[in-house]
Amino acid sequence: IAGITQAPTSQILAAGRRMTLRCTQDMRHNAMYWYRQDLGLGLRLIHYSNTAGTTGKGEVPDGYSVSRANTDDFPLTLASAVPSQTSVYFCASGAGGGTGELFFGEGSRLTVL
Amino acid sequence: QKEVEQNSGPLSVPEGAIASLNCTYSDRGSQSFFWYRQYSGKSPELIMSIYSNGDKEDGRFTAQLNKASQYVSLLIRDSQPSDSATYLCAVNQPTTGSNSGYALNFGKGTSLLVTP
Repeated sequence: IAGITQAPTSQILAAGRRMTLRCTQDMRHNAMYWYRQDLGLGLRLIHYSNTAGTTGKGEVPDGYSVSRANTDDFPLTLASAVPSQTSVYFCASGAGGGTGELFFGEGSRLTVL
Repeated sequence: QKEVEQNSGPLSVPEGAIASLNCTYSDRGSQSFFWYRQYSGKSPELIMSIYSNGDKEDGRFTAQLNKASQYVSLLIRDSQPSDSATYLCAVNQPTTGSNSGYALNFGKGTSLLVTP
């Protein structure tokens, strides 16, 4: 089934630990995105990638890093997790440019204690 | 950061009524506008896109855009309990930085409750 796969779906993590959230899409979309969603704050862009080999910072990039080695994969890494990074993380992909239609993964719920 | 504003709600409407959801945006140069629906515990899914001033209809959904007033709305006719969800307004905006492109800037969403 075509779409976006995120892993893990849920994780509890001790503060200070390193964590990588995985995201894979099979729609051959150029653009990929990571958003976090927090109650009362909505969806906020963390990092994005317009095409393989390029990445950029979104609204809330601090404490996160990404890479885009190929078209399909866009992992998000928390180098040293802090409790304020407790959130639901959504990966999304789209054709890029001005089309705006994004397809979202099912989300990864991360709790940092 | 350009703003996308929505009333958080909850907006409660009886089954069969018209639900009206509103959104304003601050970037006058924005060209593409979207409505996403998000059920509790699920991911957002696209229900409407609109690019030109006026109305766009798709089944029970109508999106309305007024660029002069920087206003986007979504009307849901014959509302059903299954329409109960959070509706996210999104505006496609250029990203900043060396690898420029576009990303969706989302409002915080309006919670809709359709009562039987």
